Amino acid sequence: EVRLVQSGAEVKEPGESLRISCKGFGYSFTNYWIHWVRQMPGKGLEWMGMIYPGDSDTRYSPSFQGQVTISADKSTSIAFLQWSSLKASDTAMYYCARRVVPAPMRDWFDPWGQGTLVIVSS
Amino acid sequence: DIQMTQSPSSLSASVGDRVTITCQASQDISKYLNWYQQKPGKAPKLLIYDASNLQTGVPSRFSGSGSGTDFTLIISSLQPEDIATYFCQQYDSVPSYTFGQGTKLEIK
Repeated sequence: EVRLVQSGAEVKEPGESLRISCKGFGYSFTNYWIHWVRQMPGKGLEWMGMIYPGDSDTRYSPSFQGQVTISADKSTSIAFLQWSSLKASDTAMYYCARRVVPAPMRDWFDPWGQGTLVIVSS
Repeated sequence: DIQMTQSPSSLSASVGDRVTITCQASQDISKYLNWYQQKPGKAPKLLIYDASNLQTGVPSRFSGSGSGTDFTLIISSLQPEDIATYFCQQYDSVPSYTFGQGTKLEIK
C-alpha cells in the first residue's frame, strides 16, 4: 500500500524555527515528486511547492518562495518542510502528497499524508 | 496565475438528490482538471482525474465532465457518506497548481 505518514502536531511561538516531515511507504520514493499543500483554518487548499527526492530538484509557488524551505532525504524516504522564523499566520494544516504523472499532461496528487497541524501562538 | 472558481461555496441537499458542483477556470485548461473530496477532519482524496475519469474505488454515482474553462462534478444520488468539501484543481500551468475555493456539501 502506498502511503505518506506525516509528523505530529506542533505548537510553536512566533520567531521559532520548525521542520515537519513526510515519510513515504510502499513505493520508490526517489521516483516521485512530493508536494506540500497548506490549508489554513476553515479555508481551501494552497499549493506551496514540490520536490523530486531523486535529485532534490525543488519548485516553489511564488506565494511561498522565500517563506519556507522544502528538502528531502532519499536515504530515509522523508521529505521536509521547514520555517526559519514562524509567524502567527503560519498556523495551518500542512499536507504532503505524492505527484503522479502516468503520462504526459496527466498529473494528480495521490495519496495524501494525514496532515500536520502547526499552531503558532505566543 | 490561473484562477479556479467553484460554485456554489456550500450546498445542502437530501439523500438521493442529484448534486451538481461547477468549477470555472480563468483561462482554457483543456481537460487538465482533477477533483478531490475532503471529508471532515481528513486529508483530501483524489476523486476524478483528467476531468472525467473516476479514480479506482470511487463509486459510480460520481461523474465529472467538461473541458476548456467549464467543468462539472455530479453526484447522481447523494449518500450520507458523501458529506465533504469538494475541490477542483488545475494542472495546466505546472509547476504552478491552483485549487478552487471548495464546495461544502451538507445533508438537508
